[in-house]
Amino acid sequence: SQQGEEDPQALSIQEGENATMNCSYKTSINNLQWYRQNSGRGLVHLILIRSNEREKHSGRLRVTLDTSKKSSSLLITASRAADTASYFCATPGNSGYALNFGKGTSLLVTP
Amino acid sequence: EAGVAQSPRYKIIEKRQSVAFWCNPISGHATLYWYQQILGQGPKLLIQFQNNGVVDDSQLPKDRFSAERLKGVDSTLKIQPAKLEDSAVYLCASSFTDGGETQYFGPGTRLLVL
Repeated sequence: SQQGEEDPQALSIQEGENATMNCSYKTSINNLQWYRQNSGRGLVHLILIRSNEREKHSGRLRVTLDTSKKSSSLLITASRAADTASYFCATPGNSGYALNFGKGTSLLVTP
Repeated sequence: EAGVAQSPRYKIIEKRQSVAFWCNPISGHATLYWYQQILGQGPKLLIQFQNNGVVDDSQLPKDRFSAERLKGVDSTLKIQPAKLEDSAVYLCASSFTDGGETQYFGPGTRLLVL
């Protein structure tokens, strides 16, 4: 069953701009992950944030987590054409460790 | 470090035929997952193995899908007989332990059922 829901479904920006996408989930979690999927390629792990963390950075990525609102956001700063991809948030599934993915945000970065 | 390997990359079959997908996880990874990703959606877990034992197969359509990981390394996912709605990308992933957290995905097998 899907747990996270990303918003917006699609986002189009120009190179150099920032891109923000949001994820809402339904049940309590101990961590939340973000993955990227380029067209025709597999999923790549971007970042993991634990429930006791509020913000985490990795290069041009910034992730926030608000457990009271059951939401997370992914900010990509100074976007590049190579950032064009679908971005998924993922939360632990029923077994505890398999992932429940949302439908993703499709990001298009134009030169 | 080699990544997760999957084969074939593409497969076209007719409905009611059978098909098998193969996955070789990252060396040393005890946990292996099979996900189904239908176009426009996020991946959905089909089955999770810990070594050669099944941890979760609650979303596996067991009347037509089967999976095995006999020696706790490679895994095979089979569909028999295939239906039109099985057209999807089948992703294999592995992680070091069942401690949750980062999963490493293979390139996937794109299946088209005609």
